[in-house]
Amino acid sequence: AQSVTQPDIHITVSEGASLELRCNYSYGATPYLFWYVQSPGQGLQLLLKYFSGDTLVQGIKGFEAEFKRSQSSFNLRKPSVHWSDAAEYFCAVRGGYQKVTFGTGTKLQVIP
Amino acid sequence: SQTIHQWPATLVQPVGSPLSLECTVEGTSNPNLYWYRQAAGRGLQLLFYSVGIGQISSEVPQNLSASRPQDRQFILSSKKLLLSDSGFYLCAWTQNTGELFFGEGSRLTVL
Repeated sequence: AQSVTQPDIHITVSEGASLELRCNYSYGATPYLFWYVQSPGQGLQLLLKYFSGDTLVQGIKGFEAEFKRSQSSFNLRKPSVHWSDAAEYFCAVRGGYQKVTFGTGTKLQVIP
Repeated sequence: SQTIHQWPATLVQPVGSPLSLECTVEGTSNPNLYWYRQAAGRGLQLLFYSVGIGQISSEVPQNLSASRPQDRQFILSSKKLLLSDSGFYLCAWTQNTGELFFGEGSRLTVL
C-alpha cells in the first residue's frame, strides 16, 4: 500500500532563513509526487510535482523539491522564507489506480 | 476552463441524521473524483475515489458512502451521522496529469 510520512508536525523559521520540509513515501514503483500548500481558510494549491526526468523540480513561489529514489524522499526546500509562506504544507503520492495519498502535513510558522 | 463546485459549504447536523454532500466538475469529461476528510493532525484522509460512473473505491471502513451517478457528479452520503463524522470534507478531481484540483470544502459539525 502506498503511504506518505511527513515527520515534522510544526516547523518555525525566521524570515529570510532557509527551509526544508521532509517527506518520505512508500510505493513499489516510480511514484508521482506532489507538494501542496494550504493557507488558513483557503483550499489547497499545487506547489510542484514530479513525474519523471530531472529529480530536482522547481515550483511556484520559489520552492523546489528533490526526488531521491534511494531514500524514498521528496523534500521541499526554499532558500529564503517570506512571512507569507506561513501555511500548512502537504506532500502527496499518486500510485496505482489513480489513488492519491497525502501526508499529515507540516505547519510552518515564520517569525520576524 | 475547468471548475469544481462543492456544497453546502457549512452544515450542522444532529447525530443520527442523514448526510448528503455534493460535488460537480465543469469543463472536463471523465475525471477521476475524490473525497477527502481533513482533520487536525491527520492531514487529508482519502475516503473514496472514482475513476468512472458507478465505480467507487472505498479507502476507510466507516459510516459514509459515495456515489457517482453522472460523469461529473460525486456525492458523499451517510444514513446516520456519528459525532466522529465531524470534519472538513474536500472534493477533488484530476485527469492524466495527476494534479488534484480541490473544491472549497464543506465543514460538517455533528452535534
